[in-house]
Amino acid sequence: NAGVTQTPKFQVLKTGQSMTLQCAQDMNHNSMYWYRQDPGMGLRLIYYSASEGTTDKGEVPNGYNVSRLNKREFSLRLESAAPSQTSVYFCASSLGGSGKYEQFFGPGTRLTVL
Amino acid sequence: DQQVKQNSPSLSVQEGRISILNCDYTNSMFDYFLWYKKYPAEGPTFLISISSIKDKNEDGRFTVFLNKSAKHLSLHIVPSQPGDSAVYFCASKTGGGADGLTFGKGTHLIIQP
Repeated sequence: NAGVTQTPKFQVLKTGQSMTLQCAQDMNHNSMYWYRQDPGMGLRLIYYSASEGTTDKGEVPNGYNVSRLNKREFSLRLESAAPSQTSVYFCASSLGGSGKYEQFFGPGTRLTVL
Repeated sequence: DQQVKQNSPSLSVQEGRISILNCDYTNSMFDYFLWYKKYPAEGPTFLISISSIKDKNEDGRFTVFLNKSAKHLSLHIVPSQPGDSAVYFCASKTGGGADGLTFGKGTHLIIQP
């Protein structure tokens, strides 16, 4: 039972390049999330998917797109990377439903945009 | 406008003593609160949560207290152990739905031997 997995673990991009961060969970969770964490800051929500087939914007969605590929997988795409997107990106999942709000996080992807 | 505030960036506690981490929130619509622990280069790990209908929840060495009128919650760790050294995040959400969590900036807890 791997929980939430993320690939890649590290990535360096040049300004303007694109990339997709992958996330998968094996807990049969309904809801999935993407957060970013900047130095000295808490995690901020980029996008989330309440259930398969739905996605919604979070607090900081600009510059990102997401795809809920199936129940297990939720990807985050940077179409044209900017230095301001240098951050650590965390994917999370939760069972969803009333009272089932605990989110379980992956190990993160450290992204540097030069 | 920070809706979840952890005003102590760091806290140092002796091993075996009680650690008390504090969190304040401003959004009165928050009704579910969680604490996460994070080690460097790892993802946050869920510790304990509390619903707004309760004022206390315990799980082993960890207890969370909620004071709704003061919009304040605290995490107590008793007794503190060296493995508790980590960054602790307070997080909140509004009830119902699968929308995301709002996090504080975290408190770095250091357990001194």
